[in-house]
Amino acid sequence: SQTIHQWPATLVQPVGSPLSLECTVEGTSNPNLYWYRQAAGRGLQLLFYSVGIGQISSEVPQNLSASRPQDRQFILSSKKLLLSDSGFYLCAWTEGGGVSPLHFGNGTRLTVT
Amino acid sequence: DAKTTQPPSMDCAEGRAANLPCNHSTISGNEYVYWYRQIHSQGPQYIIHGLKNNETNEMASLIITEDRKSSTLILPHATLRDTAVYYCIVRASNTGNQFYFGTGTSLTVIP
Repeated sequence: SQTIHQWPATLVQPVGSPLSLECTVEGTSNPNLYWYRQAAGRGLQLLFYSVGIGQISSEVPQNLSASRPQDRQFILSSKKLLLSDSGFYLCAWTEGGGVSPLHFGNGTRLTVT
Repeated sequence: DAKTTQPPSMDCAEGRAANLPCNHSTISGNEYVYWYRQIHSQGPQYIIHGLKNNETNEMASLIITEDRKSSTLILPHATLRDTAVYYCIVRASNTGNQFYFGTGTSLTVIP
C-alpha cells in the first residue's frame, strides 16, 4: 500500500533563516505531488504541484520554492523565512492523471519567530 | 479557486445522520465531486468521490443531484469523532487539474 512521509512534525525557526521540508511517497511510481499551506483558522492554499521529476508549477508567488529531485521526493524550501510563512504545511500525492483522490501527509507546523 | 459553496458550520446530535450540503452550480461535465475532512491539526482525510451516481463506502454516502449542481455528504450515524471541517471539492479528471479547497463546513457532533 502507498504511504506518505512528511517531516518534521513541528518546527520553530527565526525570521531570516532557511527552510527545508521534505516529503516522500512509498508504494507508487510517478505520482503527482503537492504542497499546501494552511494559515491558522484558514483553508488550504495550494502552493506547488509537480507531475514529474524536475517539473514544478507554482500557484502563488511567494517566498518559497519547491523541488523534486527524485520521483517520490518533494522538497519545500526558503532562503529567508518571513513571519508570514508561519503555518501548517501539508504534502500530498495522487496517481498521475485520472480521478484518484488526493492523499495527505500529517503535516509540518512551522512557526517563524 | 474553489468552485463550491458550503455552509460555514453545522451541528449534529450524536447517533443521528449528518447531512452536509455543497453547492457546485458551475460544475462541468468532466468534473468529479470529492469530499475530505480535517480533524484539528491533522492532514485532510479523503472520504468519498463521485461523478453523477450516488456513492457509498464504509465512511459515508454521497448523493449528487441529477443536474449535478449540488451534492450532500451523509454520515449515517454521527459520532463525536466525526467532529471536523468537511471540504467539498470539484476537480476534472484531466492531468494538470488541481484540488482547490474552500473553507469547508465545520461540523460539531453534540453528545
